[in-house]
Amino acid sequence: GQNIDQPTEMTATEGAIVQINCTYQTSGFNGLFWYQQHAGEAPTFLSYNVLDGLEEKGRFSSFLSRSKGYSYLLLKELQMKDSASYLCAVPSGGSYIPTFGRGTSLIVHP
Amino acid sequence: DGGITQSPKYLFRKEGQNVTLSCEQNLNHDAMYWYRQDPGQGLRLIYYSQIVNDFQKGDIAEGYSVSREKKESFPLTVTSAQKNPTAFYLCASRDRGTSEKLFFGSGTQLSVL
Repeated sequence: GQNIDQPTEMTATEGAIVQINCTYQTSGFNGLFWYQQHAGEAPTFLSYNVLDGLEEKGRFSSFLSRSKGYSYLLLKELQMKDSASYLCAVPSGGSYIPTFGRGTSLIVHP
Repeated sequence: DGGITQSPKYLFRKEGQNVTLSCEQNLNHDAMYWYRQDPGQGLRLIYYSQIVNDFQKGDIAEGYSVSREKKESFPLTVTSAQKNPTAFYLCASRDRGTSEKLFFGSGTQLSVL
């Protein structure tokens, strides 16, 4: 089975930097996804890490350590529109069926 | 434009009634998925299909049924056996050959009258 853990809620100030952590336990590893979901809308793809290290995409970066079963999503220069839920997902070995964490609700204050 | 379409956006079910949620994609993706999302919880897998005419139960399949008669379509029926159907339902698809990421529809909010 799989176990994915991420904080329930985080708050931050506009313009600041925030790091959202995700720890996972899985049998067989096929990469780790981060999705962003605004309330009542579909999740949208942010990043996919399959190798260790940091991948940067504009204001968003994602880090993976396979040996530690750990990832984080780093959001820089926060904007009000970044207020959303951030979902960590790990496909199970073999079938590639994504299992999602509970999501971290990020609230950005002015 | 290619995409994945869910309908309706909002759906109300009376007690004892079966309702069907539509999911259509024109992305030519082989794999399709149904997830349920409750407040404060992540997405939980109901059913998935890797190819036409084949589908498998996910973690919470009881009270639900699906069909996959066409590549483009993967409808979900919420039966009267599902005693707590109120949730946000998300359909997703994936191109098994080229990408691991999921493309999601805009979701259907199902409520019980």
